[in-house]
Amino acid sequence: GQNIDQPTEMTATEGAIVQINCTYQTSGFNGLFWYQQHAGEAPTFLSYNVLDGLEEKGRFSSFLSRSKGYSYLLLKELQMKDSASYLCASMDSNYQLIWGAGTKLIIKP
Amino acid sequence: DADVTQTPRNRITKTGKRIMLECSQTKGHDRMYWYRQDPGLGLRLIYYSFDVKDINKGEISDGYSVSRQAQAKFSLSLESAIPNQTALYFCATSDLKRDTGELFFGEGSRLTVL
Repeated sequence: GQNIDQPTEMTATEGAIVQINCTYQTSGFNGLFWYQQHAGEAPTFLSYNVLDGLEEKGRFSSFLSRSKGYSYLLLKELQMKDSASYLCASMDSNYQLIWGAGTKLIIKP
Repeated sequence: DADVTQTPRNRITKTGKRIMLECSQTKGHDRMYWYRQDPGLGLRLIYYSFDVKDINKGEISDGYSVSRQAQAKFSLSLESAIPNQTALYFCATSDLKRDTGELFFGEGSRLTVL
C-alpha cells in the first residue's frame, strides 16, 4: 500500500534549527513535496525534490534520498511565524499526491 | 483577491440536506482538485479534473459528485450530507505546464453536518 509517515508534533526554540523527517512508500515516484499550513489556512508550497540531495531555499532546505524513501525539511533560524503544520506528500506513478498527516511544529520563545 | 476562491467558507447543515461547495480560479490552470482534510489524517483526494471534459474519482469519492462548468469553475456536491462528511474541504489547481506540479489551494470551506 501507499504510506507517508511523519511525526505528529515537534517543539523547537526560536532561533534554533529543526529537522522534520518524512518516509514514504508509494506506487512509483515522481517527486516529494513539502507544504506549510498555518492553522485554519490553506497549505502553501515550500519545496519539491525529485533528485537525491539537498535543495536550499533561504532558511528552508529539503533533502531527498530515493533509495531510502526518505526526505527531511530543515528549518533554520526559527521564527515564531514558523509555527505551523508541515505536510509531506509523495507523487506516485499516476502523478497523484499521497499526503502525510502533517507535523505540527510549535516554536517556543 | 485570492487566485482560488471557495464559497461558502463556512457552512452548517443537517443530515440529508444537499450541499454545494463552489470553487473558481483566476490562474488559468487546467487542473482542478477537491480534497478533504480531517484532524490527524492527510489530505484526501475526492475528485479531480484535468480539463472541462475530464472528471476523475479520487480515493474517497463515494457520497460526492462534481461538476466542471468551465475551465475556471469546479463545484463539489454532497447529495445527502451525513455527519462523517464534516470536514475542511479544499479546492486546488495546478498548471499542466509546470514541471513541479505545485498545487495552489483555496482558503478552504469548513462544513459541519449535524
